[in-house]
Amino acid sequence: GAVVSQHPSWVICKSGTSVKIECRSLDFQATTMFWYRQFPKQSLMLMATSNEGSKATYEQGVEKDKFLINHASLTLSTLTVTSAHPEDSSFYICSARPDSSGANVLTFGAGSRLTVL
Amino acid sequence: QKEVEQDPGPLSVPEGAIVSLNCTYSNSAFQYFMWYRQYSRKGPELLMYTYSSGNKEDGRFTAQVDKSSKYISLFIRDSQPSDSATYLCAMSSTNNNDMRFGAGTRLTVKP
Repeated sequence: GAVVSQHPSWVICKSGTSVKIECRSLDFQATTMFWYRQFPKQSLMLMATSNEGSKATYEQGVEKDKFLINHASLTLSTLTVTSAHPEDSSFYICSARPDSSGANVLTFGAGSRLTVL
Repeated sequence: QKEVEQDPGPLSVPEGAIVSLNCTYSNSAFQYFMWYRQYSRKGPELLMYTYSSGNKEDGRFTAQVDKSSKYISLFIRDSQPSDSATYLCAMSSTNNNDMRFGAGTRLTVKP
């Protein structure tokens, strides 16, 4: 089945630094990938839709200059949290579905836990 | 009214019990209905999905969709402690960007 790999699985950084999280589709191509944020005991909150070769589409209230998304190839999307602050600490999850699939069903990565000190 | 409603629980059952998890929705355009299992500090794992109405069975898990009532269910038979997790329902139309998630139900299966 479709596999999505996310790296790193956890990261700790100092306030003011930038952190990059990678999302890779291992065995399929994905023109579109999605980035979510999840707070403890809450459901997934869609942050943005990552589109290969074009600009990401951000959900209302998500700062595009804070959360930079790059989708440089059909198998890789990156989320960079710029000038991170403690309030950016969260669980970030990406998802994708194969371009070849006719079903609108997403596969998720294992998530990346960011802690900003 | 939210597009997808799911009781967050928590739900606690003894080992071996039959578990019933449910979601309701309001958007009649939804065609794909998914159930994900999420363990603590992990990403959601797709358990099964159904297209349009009907039932689908996979081992101890059965998914049911009733589009006329806008109601979906996941049944877990012979529940095991390893089934303890949060279960998220999700649904979408054929549009790539309109997937909606329930709040997730936290399930604990006690030995």
